[in-house]
Amino acid sequence: AQKITQTQPGMFVQEKEAVTLDCTYDTSDPSYGLFWYKQPSSGEMIFLIYQGSYDQQNATEGRYSLNFQKARKSANLVISASQLGDSAMYFCAMRGFTGFQKLVFGTGTRLLVSP
Amino acid sequence: NAGVTQTPKFQVLKTGQSMTLQCAQDMNHNSMYWYRQDPGMGLRLIYYSASEGTTDKGEVPNGYNVSRLNKREFSLRLESAAPSQTSVYFCASSEALQAGVGNQPQHFGDGTRLSIL
Repeated sequence: AQKITQTQPGMFVQEKEAVTLDCTYDTSDPSYGLFWYKQPSSGEMIFLIYQGSYDQQNATEGRYSLNFQKARKSANLVISASQLGDSAMYFCAMRGFTGFQKLVFGTGTRLLVSP
Repeated sequence: NAGVTQTPKFQVLKTGQSMTLQCAQDMNHNSMYWYRQDPGMGLRLIYYSASEGTTDKGEVPNGYNVSRLNKREFSLRLESAAPSQTSVYFCASSEALQAGVGNQPQHFGDGTRLSIL
């Protein structure tokens, strides 16, 4: 079974600062994928970034980057130069590659960006 | 750029009523999913359809049924609604749910806010 843990219920950051949202995972799969989604107050789920367990480099996507530490089983999302529009819930999720495995989500972290 | 379209966006039901939530995607995706989102619990998978013609139970299937009508459409039915089914329901789709392939993100609809009194 897979499990995602997001230990930060809420995070605060000032505009233009960087922020790290934590995500740890547990899986027995030798290969797997990790995803981050953003859910603004309007409710939709927006895919942000993907990291494969065998990717040689940490994933980056614009202001988003993933600090992937495989030995620690962590996949933290780093948002650089925070903007007011980054205020939202952020969900970490993973999927194992063995068999027909589904996406498992964490409970989310609420990020508030202040001016 | 419709992506995944869910209808309705809001609904209030009385206990015991039935209802079908509709979902359609225009991305030619093979796999579709239904989730529910409750406060403090993230998203939990109700049912999924790996490909047209197949459906399987997810983590919390009790009280729900699904139909994969065609490649585009995947509906979720509550036969006899209960207050415990008050939630936000999300439909999602992805290119394919295959063994050994896992990098396709799921694309989500805007959700249906369902209240059962």
